[in-house]
Amino acid sequence: GAVVSQHPSWVICKSGTSVKIECRSLDFQATTMFWYRQFPKQSLMLMATSNEGSKATYEQGVEKDKFLINHASLTLSTLTVTSAHPEDSSFYICSASHGLAGGSQETQYFGPGTRLLVL
Amino acid sequence: GNSVTQMEGPVTLSEEAFLTINCTYTATGYPSLFWYVQYPGEGLQLLLKATKADDKGSNKGFEATYRKETTSFHLEKGSVQVSDSAVYFCALRAGGTSYGKLTFGQGTILTVHP
Repeated sequence: GAVVSQHPSWVICKSGTSVKIECRSLDFQATTMFWYRQFPKQSLMLMATSNEGSKATYEQGVEKDKFLINHASLTLSTLTVTSAHPEDSSFYICSASHGLAGGSQETQYFGPGTRLLVL
Repeated sequence: GNSVTQMEGPVTLSEEAFLTINCTYTATGYPSLFWYVQYPGEGLQLLLKATKADDKGSNKGFEATYRKETTSFHLEKGSVQVSDSAVYFCALRAGGTSYGKLTFGQGTILTVHP
């Protein structure tokens, strides 16, 4: 099956620094990638949707200047948490799809997640 | 807006017990419905799906039937195994301007004891 990787798997950083998380589709070309945030014992909340070569579409309430998303190629998307603060500590998960967004056969393949702790 | 509600966990069962995890949804139009499973330390994996009313999704002994009249998509398995211990998420994908977006329930932790 399709495999999606994330790097790093966990990261600890100081408040005020920026952190970059990579999401890669290893054996398929991802036309669309999604970024989610998961709080402890809560559901996944969609942060943004990105299509290769175009600007990401952010969900309501997500600061686009704080969470920078770059989908520069069909196999790589990055999420940069800028000027991180303790409240940004969370589990960040990406998913990738090789179908047309909204297509009946579209399936999202999820990465294992990145745990961010901001001190 | 769209929403998914799952039964609260955690759910603890003995091996070979019958499993039901309830899931109901609110959505406009005719959404597709999914169950995802997250094993410890791994990413979410699609377990099964149904794309229209009365469809039954099945995989690895798990089943769920898309019930439009009750807006439900309950997950069932006749005999659980220790290896089924994981977090289970119900999700929907609506059409229209929400193309591609998944809305998840809060997840249900399942623990199966030998």
